[in-house]
Amino acid sequence: SQQGEEDPQALSIQEGENATMNCSYKTSINNLQWYRQNSGRGLVHLILIRSNEREKHSGRLRVTLDTSKKSSSLLITASRAADTASYFCATPHGSGNTGKLIFGQGTTLQVKP
Amino acid sequence: ETGVTQTPRHLVMGMTNKKSLKCEQHLGHNAMYWYKQSAKKPLELMFVYNFKEQTENNSVPSRFSPECPNSSHLFLHLHTLQPEDSALYLCASSQAGGARLTGELFFGEGSRLTVL
Repeated sequence: SQQGEEDPQALSIQEGENATMNCSYKTSINNLQWYRQNSGRGLVHLILIRSNEREKHSGRLRVTLDTSKKSSSLLITASRAADTASYFCATPHGSGNTGKLIFGQGTTLQVKP
Repeated sequence: ETGVTQTPRHLVMGMTNKKSLKCEQHLGHNAMYWYKQSAKKPLELMFVYNFKEQTENNSVPSRFSPECPNSSHLFLHLHTLQPEDSALYLCASSQAGGARLTGELFFGEGSRLTVL
């Protein structure tokens, strides 16, 4: 069953603007991960936030997690054309850190130069 | 370069063919996965192997047959596929288990399969 659902499904912005993507999930989690996928390529892990964390930063990425609302957001600041890709949130399926992740449908981000 | 290598990158096969997808990881991980990515659908987990043992078969049709001879190699054997099986097949690995481990997945570049 689908766990994470991203919003919006597609986002188009100008270079230099910020991009915000949201993810909602249904069951309790111990962590939430964000991945990026360039067209036709594999997914690349961006950042992981644990259930006891509310915010995490990595370079131009900022992730927030609200466990009471079962939602997370990914903010990319000062976007670049190279940020054009699909972004997925993923949550563990089942208990423990098994690596079995359930992915959402993703947000397709286009950054125009 | 993620440390996970998939071959072939592209494969076209007829419905009566038998082919195999190969995945190799150089990260020393103990778990490997096959995911299927179809257009406009979320990634679907197909199979999970932990220490070479299959721990998950997510109701995958028997025309897909996985094989994991060791912790570094994973195969997906394909036979009598249907056109709707055309998709990007992604292999991933992780170091699974333990309270401090995160379950982060490392993906290969995928094998784009077209079934005619």
